[in-house]
Amino acid sequence: AQSVTQLDSHVSVSEGTPVLLRCNYSSSYSPSLFWYVQHPNKGLQLLLKYTSAATLVKGINGFEAEFKKSETSFHLTKPSAHMSDAAEYFCVVSPMNRDDKIIFGKGTRLHILP
Amino acid sequence: SQTIHQWPATLVQPVGSPLSLECTVEGTSNPNLYWYRQAAGRGLQLLFYSVGIGQISSEVPQNLSASRPQDRQFILSSKKLLLSDSSFYLCAWSAKGGFNQPQHFGDGTRLSIL
Repeated sequence: AQSVTQLDSHVSVSEGTPVLLRCNYSSSYSPSLFWYVQHPNKGLQLLLKYTSAATLVKGINGFEAEFKKSETSFHLTKPSAHMSDAAEYFCVVSPMNRDDKIIFGKGTRLHILP
Repeated sequence: SQTIHQWPATLVQPVGSPLSLECTVEGTSNPNLYWYRQAAGRGLQLLFYSVGIGQISSEVPQNLSASRPQDRQFILSSKKLLLSDSSFYLCAWSAKGGFNQPQHFGDGTRLSIL
């Protein structure tokens, strides 16, 4: 069975400082992993996707994530936060076999302080 | 380019009334289609997905149903709404290839049951 845990429900950083949003997963197989962003009253937008091609994945808007199998982690980072990054972020683990289902984390709300 | 449309954006319905939410996709053919529900402070819950016209897989037993009358049209319905149906409903599409493909979301429908 698969699972995904976003370790922080809220994260606050100052504008211009680094962002770290943490995600741990559990999967019996090598999973596909995604990060999505959601602004208020909007749908989710794909930030980046890991599918075993490279452990460091670069996404849109300066975000990147590193797949660490030994730590079962897929943390999202950005070197310098911008006010427009304030949103909710979802880590998603996707099944590699027919018995598993796609699972969304509960989300991390990112607050950017001026 | 591909676009996805959901309507209405907000909806207020009395308990026991019927429901019909519509989602259409443009700019692609034969997509996989998905309905999700998102409760406040929680991740997304997959309700239904469809790999083709008339093919619906239900993930959660409840009083909701889905239909796909045309290739790029996906409808979420209920004959009798419950108070617990109040939520944010999201439609998404992906290319063929299962849950490993990135999903593209509409802007959602905020449903309130009175």
